Amino acid sequence: RKEVEQDPGPFNVPEGATVAFNCTYSNSASQSFFWYRQDCRKEPKLLMSVYSSGNEDGRFTAQLNRASQYISLLIRDSKLSDSATYLCVVNKEGTGGGNKLTFGTGTQLKVEL
Amino acid sequence: DVKVTQSSRYLVKRTGEKVFLECVQDMDHENMFWYRQDPGLGLRLIYFSYDVKMKEKGDIPEGYSVSREKKERFSLILESASTNQTSMYLCASSFRGMTEAFFGQGTRLTVV
Repeated sequence: RKEVEQDPGPFNVPEGATVAFNCTYSNSASQSFFWYRQDCRKEPKLLMSVYSSGNEDGRFTAQLNRASQYISLLIRDSKLSDSATYLCVVNKEGTGGGNKLTFGTGTQLKVEL
Repeated sequence: DVKVTQSSRYLVKRTGEKVFLECVQDMDHENMFWYRQDPGLGLRLIYFSYDVKMKEKGDIPEGYSVSREKKERFSLILESASTNQTSMYLCASSFRGMTEAFFGQGTRLTVV
C-alpha cells in the first residue's frame, strides 16, 4: 500500500465551483501534513499546512482526521489560476531524527470558463 | 527569499557514466532532500539528509548515493547511469521539524 494516496483526477470544474480533494496516509506515526501546489513544469510550492482543528486561508480550507488517517482540501469559488496539480504531503521523523517528507502522486485540477 | 539552486536545468549523459547532481541552499536548513518525479508516479524520495555527513535512505535509493560534506550542499550521485534513471530530479531543503520545504527548479536528466 502506498504511504500517501490521492485520486489523480483530472478534476475539470467550471469557474466558481467548489472542489474537494482527498488524501489518505498509511503510517499512523506521521506527524505533520501539508498541501503543496505544482504548476506545469514548475517546482512544488507550499499551499498550506494542515492542522487537526482545520484551517482556512481565503478560499482554501484544509482538514485533518487523524483517526481515519485522512486529509482534505476544499477550494471554494474556483479561479482559472487555481488550475494546477495539488500534492498531499506527509512528514514523519526518520530513524536518524531528520524529517522524511512523502508526497502523494498529486491530483490535477483544471478550472474552465 | 529562500533559494535552492540546482547546478543544471538539463543534462544528457551516456549509459554507464558517473553523474553528479548538485544542490545548494542559502537558508542554513538542516534538512535536504532529493526526489525524482515521473509521470503517474509523482515525487519519490531517493535520499534525505538531516545534518552534515548524515543521510538516510528514502523510498527508492537503489542506484543512487549522496554526499553532504557542507551544510549548504547536497549532492546526488548516479554511480553508473542507466536509461531508467532518465527523470526530473528535484532537490529541496527545510529546517528541522515539521516545516515547509523549498524546492529547486529541477534537473531534467536524460540517459542515452
